[in-house]
Amino acid sequence: DTGVSQNPRHKITKRGQNVTFRCDPISEHNRLYWYRQTLGQGPEFLTYFQNEAQLEKSRLLSDRFSAERPKGSFSTLEIQRTEQGDSAMYLCASSDTDRGRFPTAFFGQGTRLTVV
Amino acid sequence: AQKITQTQPGMFVQEKEAVTLDCTYDTSDPSYGLFWYKQPSSGEMIFLIYQGSYDQQNATEGRYSLNFQKARKSANLVISASQLGDSAMYFCAMREGPEGNNRLAFGKGNQVVVIP
Repeated sequence: DTGVSQNPRHKITKRGQNVTFRCDPISEHNRLYWYRQTLGQGPEFLTYFQNEAQLEKSRLLSDRFSAERPKGSFSTLEIQRTEQGDSAMYLCASSDTDRGRFPTAFFGQGTRLTVV
Repeated sequence: AQKITQTQPGMFVQEKEAVTLDCTYDTSDPSYGLFWYKQPSSGEMIFLIYQGSYDQQNATEGRYSLNFQKARKSANLVISASQLGDSAMYFCAMREGPEGNNRLAFGKGNQVVVIP
């Protein structure tokens, strides 16, 4: 298996601009998760998909955030009208609910967003 | 309310020695899972070990073992025979609810530096 792939690895944007991140999960993993990690903190759950269905969204996911997984494979996370508080590492993870007793989530290397 | 607590300051460990990382958790759900992840400077979250709330024995994975004390709600990670490559942040995380759900709550992490 190739691992979870996230692009870009780094993104610097001006406040007010829109940004989009992409996550390619491990092939055939049916669940995909987005987390956000700010400096000095652990990751915080944002949202997850089972195949193409978005099943849960955190209160952290404001109206400016939208995530999609149109064909049940890769996912995109878009942030509109970015704010400095959006600066963080955005982590994607995937898991396979059919594999074993506890489907471990495997993470990508993240996209580090800096809003200036 | 914080569900995962990791309060140790950064730790320096001599190569080849063992190190214990503390983690306490809070949940009223009888079914839960506990995970430890390693995050090196590259940013990727690497799965290390898992303990289910109904598991009778402490989990072990190579040099990693989990000291699970259910009544005390603690799940400490023990790394034996530390190696220089073990230098990283270590995060404890908890899944609440039925297996198959990888919505994780993370602690703030423990910084470990292995010195030769």
